[in-house]
Amino acid sequence: GEDVEQSLFLSVREGDSSVINCTYTDSSSTYLYWYKQEPGAGLQLLTYIFSNMDMKQDQRLTVLLNKKDKHLSLRIADTQTGDSAIYFCAEGGNTDKLIFGTGTRLQVFP
Amino acid sequence: DAGVIQSPRHEVTEMGQEVTLRCKPISGHNSLFWYRQTMMRGLELLIYFNNNVPIDDSGMPEDRFSAKMPNASFSTLKIQPSEPRDSAVYFCASSLLKDTEAFFGQGTRLTVV
Repeated sequence: GEDVEQSLFLSVREGDSSVINCTYTDSSSTYLYWYKQEPGAGLQLLTYIFSNMDMKQDQRLTVLLNKKDKHLSLRIADTQTGDSAIYFCAEGGNTDKLIFGTGTRLQVFP
Repeated sequence: DAGVIQSPRHEVTEMGQEVTLRCKPISGHNSLFWYRQTMMRGLELLIYFNNNVPIDDSGMPEDRFSAKMPNASFSTLKIQPSEPRDSAVYFCASSLLKDTEAFFGQGTRLTVV
């Protein structure tokens, strides 16, 4: 069945780059998404990538997609304390619904 | 549009009581999702509706959980009877199409004591 996996925790120093990884199983996904959840709030769309792309860059965010390995990553350059949150990857497109990973809790320390 | 609106924001109830969570999706959105989030299990899809019709309720834990969507602007998730293990944050989300960007509400934090 459909499955999206992420590591649960990531801790980085302020100013360093963060890389959050995700693997998925549904190779027919049209879009893959990254959502951000700040404390006490719901999930908000951060960025997405179309499945025929390998990379997408948006300011400090870089999304890399390896379709062969079904691997998606989110790189945050110059990580700030305000980036501390839970990051979810999700796949959708040809499935009936978005499938979310369990989320990666990013902690940024000074 | 004010976004997806959930109520209440917080609910504390005693074991065995009935709990009803409410959601108002974004106007014009055709799909509505109920999720549950816990530290141990992360984000779990409970049920989703498309055009007010339940499409997939395979994530609903057991018969104590039920969800309805009587019209395009309102949905409820009911737990009867509630148990301490139901304590979690419950999110409602809506999207224009079933597989496009989902917009989340602020969530309802449920504590069953």
